[in-house]
Amino acid sequence: AQSVSQHNHHVILSEAASLELGCNYSYGGTVNLFWYVQYPGQHLQLLLKYFSGDPLVKGIKGFEAEFIKSKFSFNLRKPSVQWSDTAEYFCAVNALRIYNQGGKLIFGQGTELSVKP
Amino acid sequence: DVKVTQSSRYLVKRTGEKVFLECVQDMDHENMFWYRQDPGLGLRLIYFSYDVKMKEKGDIPEGYSVSREKKERFSLILESASTNQTSMYLCASSLRGTIRVFSGNTIYFGEGSWLTVV
Repeated sequence: AQSVSQHNHHVILSEAASLELGCNYSYGGTVNLFWYVQYPGQHLQLLLKYFSGDPLVKGIKGFEAEFIKSKFSFNLRKPSVQWSDTAEYFCAVNALRIYNQGGKLIFGQGTELSVKP
Repeated sequence: DVKVTQSSRYLVKRTGEKVFLECVQDMDHENMFWYRQDPGLGLRLIYFSYDVKMKEKGDIPEGYSVSREKKERFSLILESASTNQTSMYLCASSLRGTIRVFSGNTIYFGEGSWLTVV
């Protein structure tokens, strides 16, 4: 069965520190990859997504992620975090399937990021 | 602007009650989803629908059913609520791909419905 693993459950950083959140998935076929963010009290929002082309993807708010196919990874990075980045981050994978044979977005367990001012 | 609206933000229901969670999207999306979100477990897919009257089970469909009578509306039904269904429920929608049902189009989420079953 397909799965998505986020290595860190809770990350605590000081402002200006660099961030890397790990995400690995298990699926051998073609995938689309996403990072979503959920700020306290708000709904899930898309940070960035990858579905083809340059494996280094830039998203909103200075975030980027790199797809490494050989490692089945899609790690999220930000060079310098801010207090306002405090949120929960979810990696998600969409295993592409042929029409009418299903397919779904599978989420990781989430990583809670706390940034200390 | 994109909008997925869940009718109830907070509900408290008794064990055994029938519970309806309603979701409406105004983007003419073909795909709609219901997830539940629990600490340490991330989001888990309950059911999804890729067209009117079509539904497919997700990872954890037991104890739930869904209804999609109109394109814009996707309802989640708890036939007989139990305490282990206390959770945050998230509705989402996306466009269907031309070849694949799920083509990498962005999925848009509602704000969530907090359900407590006592």
